[in-house]
Amino acid sequence: KQEVTQIPAALSVPEGENLVLNCSFTDSAIYNLQWFRQDPGKGLTSLLLIQSSQREQTSGRLNASLDKSSGRSTLYIAASQPGDSATYLCAPSSYNTDKLIFGTGTRLQVFP
Amino acid sequence: ETGVTQTPRHLVMGMTNKKSLKCEQHLGHNAMYWYKQSAKKPLELMFVYSLEERVENNSVPSRFSPECPNSSHLFLHLHTLQPEDSALYLCASSQARTSEPGDEQFFGPGTRLTVL
Repeated sequence: KQEVTQIPAALSVPEGENLVLNCSFTDSAIYNLQWFRQDPGKGLTSLLLIQSSQREQTSGRLNASLDKSSGRSTLYIAASQPGDSATYLCAPSSYNTDKLIFGTGTRLQVFP
Repeated sequence: ETGVTQTPRHLVMGMTNKKSLKCEQHLGHNAMYWYKQSAKKPLELMFVYSLEERVENNSVPSRFSPECPNSSHLFLHLHTLQPEDSALYLCASSQARTSEPGDEQFFGPGTRLTVL
């Protein structure tokens, strides 16, 4: 059974810092992995999708890496801004189904 | 806007009520999902429909009944719920996996359900 852990659970930083959010998963037989952000009480916004054959994906100030064999993914946020404050969720999908398994997320606060 | 809409956005119901949640996707996808998000717990997959057929029922109690009349619409019918069913219910859609990679899931804004 796939289990997903995200570290740290919460993070509070001043704006301008470069951040690293970690995700680990127990079953390396994944099809892809998505990173999402969720604002309080809202739905999920897809940030990046990494296929299992890829090592990283970039979108603007965001960069996600994937090391499938070790069961790890990392989300880098460059030059953080207060608007980045949200909960960030990592979700690998099973190789056999379209099922996403979510971690509990990292709650990020960026203060001015 | 993500192309996935959900109504209502907020719902308060008693334990004996019957209500339905609605999800609609405008992305041309052919797979749809219901997820439940309870406080301090990871998102849990409830149901998956692919090509309008239910392909997964993740041990969800029968008081939750999904319906997928076509590839653009998904409903969750609720009946005799319990207070512990109070949660944020999220709908998502994607292109069902064939031989092509992809499957990025797009989520709606959710319905905040409170059961009294």
